[in-house]
Amino acid sequence: DTGVSQDPRHKITKRGQNVTFRCDPISEHNRLYWYRQTLGQGPEFLTYFQNEAQLEKSRLLSDRFSAERPKGSFSTLEIQRTEQGDSAMYLCASSLVSYGGRAEGATDTQYFGPGTRLTVL
Amino acid sequence: DQQVKQNSPSLSVQEGRISILNCDYTNSMFDYFLWYKKYPAEGPTFLISISSIKDKNEDGRFTVFLNKSAKHLSLHIVPSQPGDSAVYFCAACSRGGSNYKLTFGKGTLLTVNP
Repeated sequence: DTGVSQDPRHKITKRGQNVTFRCDPISEHNRLYWYRQTLGQGPEFLTYFQNEAQLEKSRLLSDRFSAERPKGSFSTLEIQRTEQGDSAMYLCASSLVSYGGRAEGATDTQYFGPGTRLTVL
Repeated sequence: DQQVKQNSPSLSVQEGRISILNCDYTNSMFDYFLWYKKYPAEGPTFLISISSIKDKNEDGRFTVFLNKSAKHLSLHIVPSQPGDSAVYFCAACSRGGSNYKLTFGKGTLLTVNP
């Protein structure tokens, strides 16, 4: 399977603990996005990477959140000192974006992983 | 402010009939629109997309129509099948902004009855 994968699928933690999620994008994709989805809402943008560079962060991403994408491959999203309001589905997506002409197979479409369901008690 | 709106929280249709899901947007900078399907406890699955230079895109049973003047798009599923039962999200982005981040609606729960 060459789709986007996320680990873990479920995480239950106590308030105040730190958690880290991992996302493995589709291998040739250069863009990686993190979204958060709460009950009854659509996914909301958190941040994105172009290769290893983090180019934008949403105001939803407080100082307790940090994301990395070392070497432009997999990405991690860490939440420090978790709060009950952090309970949500965390979604990762990847895409292949090209500039100055269309690369073979380039698409602006983002493909999502299965998500990590976080529950903060 | 909700830039992408799906005003119908749910829709129920009979198997074999047409399902029409609607979406409205307010941001004139949006130029690329996508529909995703989502089952419980899974991530969104890409269905079909349309660029603002087109008014229709078709892929098998799925057709997306875009009315730029009305800032409205719709997804038609013909014929509807019970396996189509899921939450459908409309999403939009501005490719001119280079970040391509998606703005989603709240979703419409489609139930296809056998």
